[in-house]
Amino acid sequence: DAGVIQSPRHEVTEMGQEVTLRCKPISGHNSLFWYRQTMMRGLELLIYFNNNVPIDDSGMPEDRFSAKMPNASFSTLKIQPSEPRDSAVYFCASSTTSGPPQGYFGPGTRLTVL
Amino acid sequence: AQSVTQLDSQVPVFEEAPVELRCNYSSSVSVYLFWYVQYPNQGLQLLLKYLSGSTLVKGINGFEAEFNKSQTSFHLRKPSVHISDTAEYFCAVTINAGGTSYGKLTFGQGTILTVHP
Repeated sequence: DAGVIQSPRHEVTEMGQEVTLRCKPISGHNSLFWYRQTMMRGLELLIYFNNNVPIDDSGMPEDRFSAKMPNASFSTLKIQPSEPRDSAVYFCASSTTSGPPQGYFGPGTRLTVL
Repeated sequence: AQSVTQLDSQVPVFEEAPVELRCNYSSSVSVYLFWYVQYPNQGLQLLLKYLSGSTLVKGINGFEAEFNKSQTSFHLRKPSVHISDTAEYFCAVTINAGGTSYGKLTFGQGTILTVHP
């Protein structure tokens, strides 16, 4: 399997622009997690889905952030409008409820908002 | 809710020396425990996990960890480190239960291990 795929790997944008991060989980995995990593706050869980349904979005920082999972093989995290404090590395992870509860992480998207 | 505390933010060590990275957790329910490693500009890779059974868990790259329920600890150890072990290490916990929150990880703040020649 190719593992969790994230795109783009790097994104540089200007404040106020819309940013869309994409994730393809491992085939057969039914849970998907979006994390954000910053120096100040470490690794934070933003939102997670089970069987394409959002279960807990309490980690989403504010209404500018939204996430969707239209099908089992694709998820997006959107920031609109983006702000410099959104600069971080965003990780997607997937897992399966039929196996060990470990997350399989993608390589991350490094977002820089100028 | 669960929480994880990694007691050392940075650990410098010389090559071939032993190392221990400390992790304590807090939870009102039974948990599963993990250690992940992150090399510079890369994602997180699973080093080892404790799900049940023997409290001494062996992982990749010669690392091992011991689950101590009474002390709520899960310290990571390696008897002899290499330059290539330089990375950031994260301890993580998830609840030992099924349901829709299965696999939801809570991470510690990370420990940067720097191995000097």
